[in-house]
Amino acid sequence: DAGVIQSPRHEVTEMGQEVTLRCKPISGHNSLFWYRQTMMRGLELLIYFNNNVPIDDSGMPEDRFSAKMPNASFSTLKIQPSEPRDSAVYFCASSLQPGTNTEAFFGQGTRLTVV
Amino acid sequence: GENVEQHPSTLSVQEGDSAVIKCTYSDSASNYFPWYKQELGKGPQLIIDIRSNVGEKKDQRIAVTLNKTAKHFSLHITETQPEDSAVYFCAASIGGGSYIPTFGRGTSLIVHP
Repeated sequence: DAGVIQSPRHEVTEMGQEVTLRCKPISGHNSLFWYRQTMMRGLELLIYFNNNVPIDDSGMPEDRFSAKMPNASFSTLKIQPSEPRDSAVYFCASSLQPGTNTEAFFGQGTRLTVV
Repeated sequence: GENVEQHPSTLSVQEGDSAVIKCTYSDSASNYFPWYKQELGKGPQLIIDIRSNVGEKKDQRIAVTLNKTAKHFSLHITETQPEDSAVYFCAASIGGGSYIPTFGRGTSLIVHP
């Protein structure tokens, strides 16, 4: 397996524009996480899906952020409209749940810069 | 919710020395504690983990210890090498249902040749 695949690796956009980040989890994994990483706040959980259903979205900062998982092999994180303070590295991770403490496998991340 | 504190934020050692990173957690129900290593430009990768029924676990030059009473756990790296230089994250989670790791802020380890 190629691991968790995220695209794009880098995104530079202007303030106010819509940004869509994409994630393909590891085949067979049924849980998917979106994290945001910044120097100030470290790794923050944004949203967690289990079997394609959003279970915990309490970390989504504002209504400008939305996430979907239309099927087991694809998820998107959308920011609309984007703001400079959204600049960060966004990670997608997947694992096999529930009931056991299993490893979360991370993608390479998408570095987002909003100017 | 769970809160994980990690110290130090940066750690500089000479090659061959040992390095210790410490974490504390707040939720006594947490029972799974993974450690991740993040190299530049990459996502975090699991290097070792420990469950609450174990006090210590070793894997070659890496060891983790857990004190459930005090709610703290530590990562020990012996005989450090330059390739150990990276950011290390501790995490805590509550198993038995959905596993959602809460991460510490990370420790930047620099190993000088």
